[in-house]
Amino acid sequence: DQQVKQNSPSLSVQEGRISILNCDYTNSMFDYFLWYKKYPAEGPTFLISISSIKDKNEDGRFTVFLNKSAKHLSLHIVPSQPGDSAVYFCAASGTGNQFYFGTGTSLTVIP
Amino acid sequence: EAGVVQSPRYKIIEKKQPVAFWCNPISGHNTLYWYRQNLGQGPELLIRYENEEAVDDSQLPKDRFSAERLKGVDSTLKIQPAELGDSAVYLCASSLGEGLLGYEQYFGPGTRLTVT
Repeated sequence: DQQVKQNSPSLSVQEGRISILNCDYTNSMFDYFLWYKKYPAEGPTFLISISSIKDKNEDGRFTVFLNKSAKHLSLHIVPSQPGDSAVYFCAASGTGNQFYFGTGTSLTVIP
Repeated sequence: EAGVVQSPRYKIIEKKQPVAFWCNPISGHNTLYWYRQNLGQGPELLIRYENEEAVDDSQLPKDRFSAERLKGVDSTLKIQPAELGDSAVYLCASSLGEGLLGYEQYFGPGTRLTVT
């Protein structure tokens, strides 16, 4: 039972344009969400997070939006750069430190 | 500051053989996680430690998997005997476990296990 879903396995974007990666979750008890970026042969690296008390968190080119009523979050990258090409995972947590990960979206930024 | 260290990076074994993975978390991180990541999937939690106590091992196949975290620092994950379906990347992660940034997990590079 996949509690966190990333329905787009891949996404291609031109350099300089906006990348939008989406994530849906089913458990209304989730209250903390994170995005991770993963390069081949490396472990995931933390990118940005958001608490359920917020609906937006911004860090440089990266912004995460949370829509609690729709149980949906998205990661916006603007402007996209070739170095952003990676697999992006969203993760969600309710109580404690247990996180559930989505299946990932592979982003390709075309120069 | 050194990140999460895992060894070995790659391991190829025949089925029914034992295998062990080692993880050294970031200094000061109380919480340690072992995840398994199958191809095309996200990481799935196997076990979580708070210091030396395993607080969540509900997803650990206890008939063949075991883990320990002696002295609340390094951890080992063992599979005995390995099965073909155990082929995956095994990721270790650590976090502070408390405070505003306590939930941010830092991952090691993983161990890619191939069971033949």
